[in-house]
Amino acid sequence: KQEVTQIPAALSVPEGENLVLNCSFTDSAIYNLQWFRQDPGKGLTSLLLIQSSQREQTSGRLNASLDKSSGRSTLYIAASQPGDSATYLCAAVTGVDNYGQNFVFGPGTRLSVLP
Amino acid sequence: NAGVTQTPKFRVLKTGQSMTLLCAQDMNHEYMYWYRQDPGMGLRLIHYSVGEGTTAKGEVPDGYNVSRLKKQNFLLGLESAAPSQTSVYFCASSYSMAGRQPQHFGDGTRLSIL
Repeated sequence: KQEVTQIPAALSVPEGENLVLNCSFTDSAIYNLQWFRQDPGKGLTSLLLIQSSQREQTSGRLNASLDKSSGRSTLYIAASQPGDSATYLCAAVTGVDNYGQNFVFGPGTRLSVLP
Repeated sequence: NAGVTQTPKFRVLKTGQSMTLLCAQDMNHEYMYWYRQDPGMGLRLIHYSVGEGTTAKGEVPDGYNVSRLKKQNFLLGLESAAPSQTSVYFCASSYSMAGRQPQHFGDGTRLSIL
């Protein structure tokens, strides 16, 4: 059974710092790996989707990498801003078929960027 | 630009009561999903639908039923609420399988069972 963990559970950094969030998964046979952002009291917003054949994806100040062999993905945030404060979740997608997928979320990392 | 809308936003029930959560999307998406999110845990898939008239079980389907009578709506029902079903429920939709396209999420329904 796929299990997804995220370290650290919470992180507090001063504004302007570059930071890395970690995501680990136990089953390396994933279809893709996705990163989401969740603001308090809100739903999830998709940030980046890395296909299993890719090693990284970039969007603005965000860069996500994927290493299937080691079961790890990292989300790099450059020049962090207070507006980046949120909970960041990763999700591993395996077993895609015509009807759906095994979509397993990690518990999230709660990020606070201090002004 | 509504996206995915969930109603109600909050609800308190007594054990044994029933209720229905409504999810509506205006993006003409085929796929719709219901998740629950509990403290310290990631989202867990309850049920999903790959199109109008279809439903399928996810990871934690027990105690819930769903219906997709119209493409834009996905209903989640609790027939006899239990305290273990206290959670935040999220609905999501996607154009194709969530494994290939990003999902769009609603803002959640916070449900407490007393």
